[in-house]
Amino acid sequence: GNSVTQMEGPVTLSEEAFLTINCTYTATGYPSLFWYVQYPGEGLQLLLKATKADDKGSNKGFEATYRKETTSFHLEKGSVQVSDSAVYFCAQNTGNQFYFGTGTSLTVIP
Amino acid sequence: KAGVTQTPRYLIKTRGQQVTLSCSPISGHRSVSWYQQTPGQGLQFLFEYFSETQRNKGNFPGRFSGRQFSNSRSEMNVSTLELGDSALYLCASSSYGTTSSGNTIYFGEGSWLTVV
Repeated sequence: GNSVTQMEGPVTLSEEAFLTINCTYTATGYPSLFWYVQYPGEGLQLLLKATKADDKGSNKGFEATYRKETTSFHLEKGSVQVSDSAVYFCAQNTGNQFYFGTGTSLTVIP
Repeated sequence: KAGVTQTPRYLIKTRGQQVTLSCSPISGHRSVSWYQQTPGQGLQFLFEYFSETQRNKGNFPGRFSGRQFSNSRSEMNVSTLELGDSALYLCASSSYGTTSSGNTIYFGEGSWLTVV
């Protein structure tokens, strides 16, 4: 079936630290992959996406590469800021349905 | 371009009552999907509508229903509310079927429902 697995949180980092949030997927077809971010009290916002193997999505210093061989789409940022504190969701789209991971809470401390 | 708009943002209901939540998608988007978000269960898919037809449905009881109007606006209804229905209900819209890049969904701010 189709599913997304992402690393458990919460994750706490110091400002300017390197961030990696792991995400793997299972899919019956060739999905598009997404990262969404949810700030406190808000809905989910699209952070970045990749639609085919080896594509790299990037936005606001975050990036993720679609790795078909490892069925992964890990989120990375070289230097996090306090304002990056949020919950991050990995998702895949197969056909016209989305599948979300459980979310990873990130807290960045000054 | 206006984003996805959900109303009301916050509401409190009593067990046994029913509630209707509204969602206006991004202009031109014909697909609307609904999700329930709770701390324990994460983000769970309720249903998706496209051109007034329900295309996909998640694993929720029949108390949860929805509909979509000809202008793509959507409503979801929960009848006989239970305490466990307290959650953030998120609506998302997409241009599925109308653009080549239409597989991205855009979320509203959500409706916070508290059942007491």
